[in-house]
Amino acid sequence: DTGVSQNPRHKITKRGQNVTFRCDPISEHNRLYWYRQTLGQGPEFLTYFQNEAQLEKSRLLSDRFSAERPKGSFSTLEIQRTEQGDSAMYLCASSLVGRTSSNYGYTFGSGTRLTVV
Amino acid sequence: QKEVEQNSGPLSVPEGAIASLNCTYSDRGSQSFFWYRQYSGKSPELIMSIYSNGDKEDGRFTAQLNKASQYVSLLIRDSQPSDSATYLCAVTRRSGNTPLVFGKGTRLSVIA
Repeated sequence: DTGVSQNPRHKITKRGQNVTFRCDPISEHNRLYWYRQTLGQGPEFLTYFQNEAQLEKSRLLSDRFSAERPKGSFSTLEIQRTEQGDSAMYLCASSLVGRTSSNYGYTFGSGTRLTVV
Repeated sequence: QKEVEQNSGPLSVPEGAIASLNCTYSDRGSQSFFWYRQYSGKSPELIMSIYSNGDKEDGRFTAQLNKASQYVSLLIRDSQPSDSATYLCAVTRRSGNTPLVFGKGTRLSVIA
């Protein structure tokens, strides 16, 4: 297994355009998380999935943001009508959570850096 | 009050010294605590996890947890220039399986 894979690594888009990012988690992991990180800040939670079910969305996730995880494998994060404030590093992470497991440290992907011009 | 608070630094320590990184959290129900290291331009990588009050050691790293004081710390012994990075404290909300809430991170600089 090569870890968590994110594509693309970098994306430059014009304001108002739509963008989509992809995340392929570690295959044995049942949870997948999306975070956003800006310079000098820690990662901010956006949303997460357990298998194909989206369990929680942050209030940061406006109606311009949508995430999917069809079939409980890879996930996509789409941002519609991008704004300059959307410029950030978008991080995907995965973990394995079981009924008796409390040790679920995340494995992060390399991130997708979005620049909205 | 922010959920997870860290001094942003920079914290500068000489090579070979002990670096002490601190974190406080607001949710008394938090049960799982993590330290991540993030090099500039890279994604966070897990260093330590701790769930019970007391100390947990792993090589040069020691995590300390005090739930009564809502305080968690990371000690790095024999600091090396390669330890220079941002250290992120992360905490679960309420029960143990909720998504992590991260602090802003403390930037550590180890001077050779």
